[in-house]
Amino acid sequence: NAGVTQTPKFQVLKTGQSMTLQCAQDMNHEYMSWYRQDPGMGLRLIHYSVGAGITDQGEVPNGYNVSRSTTEDFPLRLLSAAPSQTSVYFCASSYAQQGRPQHFGDGTRLSIL
Amino acid sequence: DAKTTQPNSMESNEEEPVHLPCNHSTISGTDYIHWYRQLPSQGPEYVIHGLTSNVNNRMASLAIAEDRKSSTLILHRATLRDAAVYYCILTQRVHIFGQGTELSVKP
Repeated sequence: NAGVTQTPKFQVLKTGQSMTLQCAQDMNHEYMSWYRQDPGMGLRLIHYSVGAGITDQGEVPNGYNVSRSTTEDFPLRLLSAAPSQTSVYFCASSYAQQGRPQHFGDGTRLSIL
Repeated sequence: DAKTTQPNSMESNEEEPVHLPCNHSTISGTDYIHWYRQLPSQGPEYVIHGLTSNVNNRMASLAIAEDRKSSTLILHRATLRDAAVYYCILTQRVHIFGQGTELSVKP
């Protein structure tokens, strides 16, 4: 049972490049979310999804796109990377019922030059 | 989502109990109280959660005040591996993280 799998683990981009961070879970969780964590800071919610075909914005959605075509996958797209998006990105999933705990991936460390 | 207030940092000695406080005076009746911890260079890890009653699991205990405006995460015997940032979150489904409490454990 792999849990939440994020790829890649590390990535360096140039300003203006596009990229998709992958997130997959094998627990049949309805709810999935993306966070970013800047050095010395807490996690900030970017986007989340309560099921296939349904997405919503979190605290810091600007500069990021998401889609949810399957229950298992929730990719995060950076259309035109900026240095301010240098961060560690975490994906999480949980069952949709209220109060269920989230399971986190190991993160993607993204540097934008 | 209602906000939580936690101390920025706490220290503990190894093998001693640790009580990590969290204030959430604007909690609503349907907000669950979740605790996560994040070890260095890792993703957050679920610790425990509750709604109204105290909860125990193999990792920790959660004590919830009768008015639900505060809660305490209890680590019964701190080990060096418990050094981490601990986050207290109120949630119905969406999790909004605050700054958390950085716990250091001295040998």
